[in-house]
Amino acid sequence: GENVEQHPSTLSVQEGDSAVIKCTYSDSASNYFPWYKQELGKGPQLIIDIRSNVGEKKDQRIAVTLNKTAKHFSLHITETQPEDSAVYFCAASIANSGYALNFGKGTSLLVTP
Amino acid sequence: DTGVSQDPRHKITKRGQNVTFRCDPISEHNRLYWYRQTLGQGPEFLTYFQNEAQLEKSRLLSDRFSAERPKGSFSTLEIQRTEQGDSAMYLCASSLTPGPQFFGPGTRLTVL
Repeated sequence: GENVEQHPSTLSVQEGDSAVIKCTYSDSASNYFPWYKQELGKGPQLIIDIRSNVGEKKDQRIAVTLNKTAKHFSLHITETQPEDSAVYFCAASIANSGYALNFGKGTSLLVTP
Repeated sequence: DTGVSQDPRHKITKRGQNVTFRCDPISEHNRLYWYRQTLGQGPEFLTYFQNEAQLEKSRLLSDRFSAERPKGSFSTLEIQRTEQGDSAMYLCASSLTPGPQFFGPGTRLTVL
């Protein structure tokens, strides 16, 4: 089955700096890659997603890049704010498996003022 | 609030008891997913429904687990004869085919 690896497991940045989280996947059939933000005691919140026919997608301070050849994708957060502090999860899925999501283990991001 | 809702939010039970959780998806979403999340890990897929049909089950879904979505709207997840290893957050998500999944707040189960 699909195996998603996520790095780093923890990341500390100063407010205003950029943060980058990287994920790799194993199944070349994966074609949908969402990113979720999870705050303590809450369910995961979708922040951005990308499909395999696109190399990059941006939404304000958040961007995601996808390299299908290398089977890796990354989340970029610019101008970080303390409110960005949370656990971030990447995921990969395949259309013919009903888009069931295979998640990475998460990155705990801390943005210090 | 038109998001995914789950009930109860917290459940404490003794080993061997049965528990049932409910998920109400976003209105009109035809797909409903169940995931399990343990501390420090990402969610793990359990099963999903398209309308009332259960189309896929993970090998994580042992015989003690059963899920239903009788009218293609809300869904229930039942765990029989709970074990301490069942302690986790049970998450429900819904989507409109094809489309992104939106998660509910989860039900935290503690088995004593």
